[in-house]
Amino acid sequence: GENVEQHPSTLSVQEGDSAVIKCTYSDSASNYFPWYKQELGKGPQLIIDIRSNVGEKKDQRIAVTLNKTAKHFSLHITETQPEDSAVYFCAAHTNDMRFGAGTRLTVKP
Amino acid sequence: DSGVTQTPKHLITATGQRVTLRCSPRSGDLSVYWYQQSLDQGLQFLIQYYNGEERAKGNILERFSAQQFPDLHSELNLSSLELGDSALYFCASSVGRSSYNEQFFGPGTRLTVL
Repeated sequence: GENVEQHPSTLSVQEGDSAVIKCTYSDSASNYFPWYKQELGKGPQLIIDIRSNVGEKKDQRIAVTLNKTAKHFSLHITETQPEDSAVYFCAAHTNDMRFGAGTRLTVKP
Repeated sequence: DSGVTQTPKHLITATGQRVTLRCSPRSGDLSVYWYQQSLDQGLQFLIQYYNGEERAKGNILERFSAQQFPDLHSELNLSSLELGDSALYFCASSVGRSSYNEQFFGPGTRLTVL
């Protein structure tokens, strides 16, 4: 089945800097790649997603890139703010959703 | 607030017991998904129901079962509980049949098995 690896497990940045989280997947049939943000005590919330026919997608300060040949995709957050601090999960979808282990992002004011 | 509600918020029980977790999807959503989040296994898909019918199955143990009722709320039943079943259980809902649709997660039920 699908295996999703996510790096780094923790990431600390200064407010205003950029943050990049990377994921790799194993199943070449995966065709949908969402990213979720999970704040303390809450359920995951979809922040951006990308489908396999697209190489990049941007929504304000958040962007996702997908390299299907290399089977990796990345989340980019620019101009980070303290409220971006949370755990971020990538996922890859074939028959069901497989999640990465998560990245705890801390943005220091 | 995602619009998905889950009860109870916390549940503490003993090994060997049985519990039922409840989920109400967002208004208009026909699909309900159940996920387990634990420290060692991460976030894992368990099962999906669409309009009352089982649609997809993930890593759900035989001791676990779920159903979706005519009013679209769903229940996850966990039986013969083991210490390793302690986890956060999330329900999510989406409007359509496909899990490609945006899924909205509830706040979760924290299960502790002693």
